[in-house]
Amino acid sequence: DIQMTQSPATLSASVGDRVAITCRASQYISTYLAWFQQKPGKAPKLLVYEASSLESGVPSRFSGSGSGTEFTLTISSLQPDDSATYYCQQYNTYWTFGQGTKVEVK
Amino acid sequence: EVQLEESGGGLVQPGGSLRLSCAASGFTFSNYWMNWVRQAPGKGLEWVAHINPAGSEESYVDSVKGRFTISRDNAKNSLYLQMDSLRVEDTAVYYCARDRDDAALPQHWGRGTLVTISS
Repeated sequence: DIQMTQSPATLSASVGDRVAITCRASQYISTYLAWFQQKPGKAPKLLVYEASSLESGVPSRFSGSGSGTEFTLTISSLQPDDSATYYCQQYNTYWTFGQGTKVEVK
Repeated sequence: EVQLEESGGGLVQPGGSLRLSCAASGFTFSNYWMNWVRQAPGKGLEWVAHINPAGSEESYVDSVKGRFTISRDNAKNSLYLQMDSLRVEDTAVYYCARDRDDAALPQHWGRGTLVTISS
């Protein structure tokens, strides 16, 4: 099974800050990596797929990078609405999600 | 607009059974792989099962193999999850999810239905 490890577990930053969340796969997954945003009581929302492709309608301040086993989600200028938990997901072999990163906007 | 609506959740005793349903609309249901993903209270996301468009191919996470069965009725635009021999650790919100057009990842999600296993 492919394990996904995210860091940090929690992140607190100010409006306008640039923040990054990393995700590491336990084995090679090429670019079969997606990022999701989830707010309390809501379903996850797809932000990025194929490691770096932005889903339609997602603000351009979100970007993804990486390939192989190391991936990053970057928010270039943090906004109050970005308070949420973010998950990476591999879809190279079935689906596995990271444990999540909770982002707090000060 | 793609819509997925889960139903059938509730409180069940350990060892019991429950059948979840997901009603799909806004797309040609019979063209897509469909999935169940769950989230235990305060925890992360876990893929549970998927099924191919024809309903002839299924896969499951190891923890539910032999206990859960995914199925679909393309004529009714509906996805199902039959859950037997339920355990306390199966307590979660269960989401129905549809793949993207061009990739096997969850683009569209329902709002989820809560399953609670407790005596």
